[in-house]
Amino acid sequence: QQQVKQSPQSLIVQKGGISIINCAYENTAFDYFPWYQQFPGKGPALLIAIRPDVSEKKEGRFTISFNKSAKQFSLHIMDSQPGDSATYFCAASSNNDMRFGAGTRLTVKP
Amino acid sequence: KAGVTQTPRYLIKTRGQQVTLSCSPISGHRSVSWYQQTPGQGLQFLFEYFSETQRNKGNFPGRFSGRQFSNSRSEMNVSTLELGDSALYLCASSSIGQGAHEQYFGPGTRLTVT
Repeated sequence: QQQVKQSPQSLIVQKGGISIINCAYENTAFDYFPWYQQFPGKGPALLIAIRPDVSEKKEGRFTISFNKSAKQFSLHIMDSQPGDSATYFCAASSNNDMRFGAGTRLTVKP
Repeated sequence: KAGVTQTPRYLIKTRGQQVTLSCSPISGHRSVSWYQQTPGQGLQFLFEYFSETQRNKGNFPGRFSGRQFSNSRSEMNVSTLELGDSALYLCASSSIGQGAHEQYFGPGTRLTVT
């Protein structure tokens, strides 16, 4: 049962462009929404996270937009760099239950 | 602070064998969660341990088991290995619990079953 749907599966962006990855969830009990970045051969690294009491959170070039009524949230990467090329996972959790999206492979072309 | 460490990093086993993977959480973290990552199924939750007790379990067969020691280190065991068990096994530690708090992942153990 896929409780978190992530799109697109892959994304190619030019250097300096904006990368946008979207996720949708089903379980309204989820109360924590992190994004992870994973490079080949490495474990996922926590990038940024949001709770449903705010609609947006920004950390540097990374922004999460959250729409509670639509049960959707997205990651925006501004001024995308080749070093951002990685796989990104969204996740949603309630206490003791975390579900991950299928991942988006981002390629930023120089 | 040192990060989450996992040993071994790579493992090759034969069908029918069993395997034990180890995870040392970040110092001070009491919760350890285990995940299986495969290209087809993505990241799937196996189980979570907190203070030596299994608090939550994913939808995996009983061949997958785990435990946590008093120093918060955790082991995961897979018995009667199947080809489909080939995957990257990740553990993640958290200071409080799996759900609503930041989890920090280790580099994973790449298990290949032949």
